[in-house]
Amino acid sequence: QKEVEQNSGPLSVPEGAIASLNCTYSDRGSQSFFWYRQYSGKSPELIMFIYSNGDKEDGRFTAQLNKASQYVSLLIRDSQPSDSATYLCAVNIAGTASKLTFGTGTRLQVTL
Amino acid sequence: DGGITQSPKYLFRKEGQNVTLSCEQNLNHDAMYWYRQDPGQGLRLIYYSQIVNDFQKGDIAEGYSVSREKKESFPLTVTSAQKNPTAFYLCASSITQREPQHFGDGTRLSIL
Repeated sequence: QKEVEQNSGPLSVPEGAIASLNCTYSDRGSQSFFWYRQYSGKSPELIMFIYSNGDKEDGRFTAQLNKASQYVSLLIRDSQPSDSATYLCAVNIAGTASKLTFGTGTRLQVTL
Repeated sequence: DGGITQSPKYLFRKEGQNVTLSCEQNLNHDAMYWYRQDPGQGLRLIYYSQIVNDFQKGDIAEGYSVSREKKESFPLTVTSAQKNPTAFYLCASSITQREPQHFGDGTRLSIL
């Protein structure tokens, strides 16, 4: 079992809809969770981070963390074509505070 | 502007040659990291450093070396022992080991 798993997609949503991206992780002791956006050929850009159970909102983005079920999700409201990218989930596996473990990413396509 | 600068953007390596990738940050971050990204895969950690004059191996350190003589600089050398060096190399930094990591623009390394 991979430590951080994401559906590779592509996830296709129409413009204006809500995009829901999911990530599961294997280590119950994980404490920090991050979402990065990566455009094709570019480096990852931090979108959201969350440390506690529940929701965290920033503009059109909401991160949701459920430690009991070991998943973290990213919701993008009012999706725009410019949101089309690969979204990487990253987790600090317990006991390795300095090390982020990345999922392979979900490709999001926002259609007109 | 504060940020992380990686150079060069593109690099070509000849057989048996060592090459060095530069990473400089002016964010006053303590922690710095090197990752490798291959097509369709997540980021894999090569080396990381939490403080000057100290660094640790990541998950795929074989064939690579680093130094951390200054807080601002964390160069990565890809040695001839790395038999499959073609990849996108990303440098990141964070305020401390538990804070979100931010990435430079990356260096693409190819074999001649």
